[in-house]
Amino acid sequence: DAKTTQPNSMESNEEEPVHLPCNHSTISGTDYIHWYRQLPSQGPEYVIHGLTSNVNNRMASLAIAEDRKSSTLILHRATLRDAAVYYCILRWANFGNEKLTFGTGTRLTIIP
Amino acid sequence: EAQVTQNPRYLITVTGKKLTVTCSQNMNHEYMSWYRQDPGLGLRQIYYSMNVEVTDKGDVPEGYKVSRKEKRNFPLILESPSPNQTSLYFCASRDLAGGSNEQFFGPGTRLTVL
Repeated sequence: DAKTTQPNSMESNEEEPVHLPCNHSTISGTDYIHWYRQLPSQGPEYVIHGLTSNVNNRMASLAIAEDRKSSTLILHRATLRDAAVYYCILRWANFGNEKLTFGTGTRLTIIP
Repeated sequence: EAQVTQNPRYLITVTGKKLTVTCSQNMNHEYMSWYRQDPGLGLRQIYYSMNVEVTDKGDVPEGYKVSRKEKRNFPLILESPSPNQTSLYFCASRDLAGGSNEQFFGPGTRLTVL
């Protein structure tokens, strides 16, 4: 699996936008970029995914660099509930094992 | 409500005493998987199943067994637990037929083996 690099931790003020970066310089053409988050004492939760184009959903936006070597998860208006560990994961779009390879992620702290 | 449930949520046991952690999903998902989460190691896949009666090893299968007799259930069996299996366990499922990439995770089972 191609490797991703994320900052260990970030802080943001409540009600402000948050930009969580992810580097994946060895990404292959068939790798999808997935983001999951893990709230305290809970299982991981899907946030968003994309291949080449920027993506938006009700939770967040995903901005993908033109060369696909990096991406940014954007939380438009952080709330206290967004405090979690955020994982950037690359997954090959095959029809075999759907394994997600979780790294250490970015621990996001929201300051009230 | 669409969900993955796990039982028990917390378990303390002793070395060698067989145990089963149950996982059930109500979304008719074909794919199910077990992970363990350990500090500094992230989540690692133990076993997975692409459909009923189809199971395969993940990255860390030693000491574990699974079965998939029904689509909704995917129990994790520890025949002879050892202290190195003390961990936080998560079950996950995904709809393979519908085209969604989202995996749904259960709330976790914290296992301590003394």
